[in-house]
Amino acid sequence: SQKIEQNSEALNIQEGKTATLTCNYTNYSPAYLQWYRQDPGRGPVFLLLIRENEKEKRKERLKVTFDTTLKQSLFHITASQPADSATYLCALEGSTLTFGKGTMLLVSP
Amino acid sequence: NAGVMQNPRHLVRRRGQEARLRCSPMKGHSHVYWYRQLPEEGLKFMVYLQKENIIDESGMPKERFSAEFPKEGPSILRIQQVVRGDSAAYFCASSPVNQLDNGYTFGSGTRLTVV
Repeated sequence: SQKIEQNSEALNIQEGKTATLTCNYTNYSPAYLQWYRQDPGRGPVFLLLIRENEKEKRKERLKVTFDTTLKQSLFHITASQPADSATYLCALEGSTLTFGKGTMLLVSP
Repeated sequence: NAGVMQNPRHLVRRRGQEARLRCSPMKGHSHVYWYRQLPEEGLKFMVYLQKENIIDESGMPKERFSAEFPKEGPSILRIQQVVRGDSAAYFCASSPVNQLDNGYTFGSGTRLTVV
């Protein structure tokens, strides 16, 4: 069956460092993959979409890679700030979007 | 231009009562999706609707749950005879037709508590 895996352990990093989050999937061949941010008590907010024929996508301090051979996407936040602390979700395309459980990022000053 | 509006934000129901959750999509969006999120769990797809049509309800429990998106008015997720296990956050999202570059726009959710 289709499966999306994100690290369930929170990622703790120091302000100014680069945060890297991983999304692995099995039994999928998505045409695109999306990343969302979710703050406590709020709905997810769309960040980036990357298509299967794109290796990398950037938006300000965010960078996403998509390796369809490894079935993996990496999400990077450079020069991280405490305000980046949130849970980050990856979502894969199908008839509708299927979400991973998310990884919590904690950026300490 | 308001985003996706969900109400109520919080809803408390006793076991056996009905819960009605409302979602007004973003202006110009004709596709609505409902997701459920349990503590420590991911977002689980429930149903996908367009105006007056259910497109995909594969994630919806067969009993007690129903959804509609009428020609006029908000989309409604109805849960009949609620049980404690229905307690969760229910999120609605919307998107325009065939436009994926901006992803789904989510509402702030309705937190249902069954007592």
